[in-house]
Amino acid sequence: AQSVTQPDIHITVSEGASLELRCNYSYGATPYLFWYVQSPGQGLQLLLKYFSGDTLVQGIKGFEAEFKRSQSSFNLRKPSVHWSDAAEYFCAVGASGGYNKLIFGAGTRLAVHP
Amino acid sequence: DAGVIQSPRHEVTEMGQEVTLRCKPISGHNSLFWYRQTMMRGLELLIYFNNNVPIDDSGMPEDRFSAKMPNASFSTLKIQPSEPRDSAVYFCASTLTDTNYGYTFGSGTRLTVV
Repeated sequence: AQSVTQPDIHITVSEGASLELRCNYSYGATPYLFWYVQSPGQGLQLLLKYFSGDTLVQGIKGFEAEFKRSQSSFNLRKPSVHWSDAAEYFCAVGASGGYNKLIFGAGTRLAVHP
Repeated sequence: DAGVIQSPRHEVTEMGQEVTLRCKPISGHNSLFWYRQTMMRGLELLIYFNNNVPIDDSGMPEDRFSAKMPNASFSTLKIQPSEPRDSAVYFCASTLTDTNYGYTFGSGTRLTVV
């Protein structure tokens, strides 16, 4: 069965600092991996996704993520955080092939200090 | 495209009443998912449809919950009778199966059962 672990419930960074949000997944085959962002009171917005190919994927808002099969990880990074990045971030794994249901991690809430 | 449209945005109802949540997926998408988000349990997949057919409803918490997708452009999630513990944000998402499209989420329905 698919599962996702986001080890950090809350993270606080200063504006302009770099950011890395951790995500570990469990899935027997090649997974589809996603990062979503949710601002308060809003739905989930897709930041980026990995299906195959280059293991470093670029997303919107300056985010990137790297798929590391050996570590079962798909960490999200941003070199310089802006105050508007404060939100909750969700990592998700989907089965390759089939009906592609998505299983989400518990989320990481990011706070940004000015 | 208007995206995934959910209605209502907010619903307050009394315990024991019937509640119907509605979702219009993105035109052309053939998979639709209903998720529930709570502080305690995070994002839970309730049920998903492929080509209007329910594929997996193992996440539906009880018989009080039911979902239908009468056509490709409309789905409902019904709770009857509603209970205070059903209070949550309910999200609908859609995608095109077996593609590298992302999952597009609606803005959610915030349900409060008093």
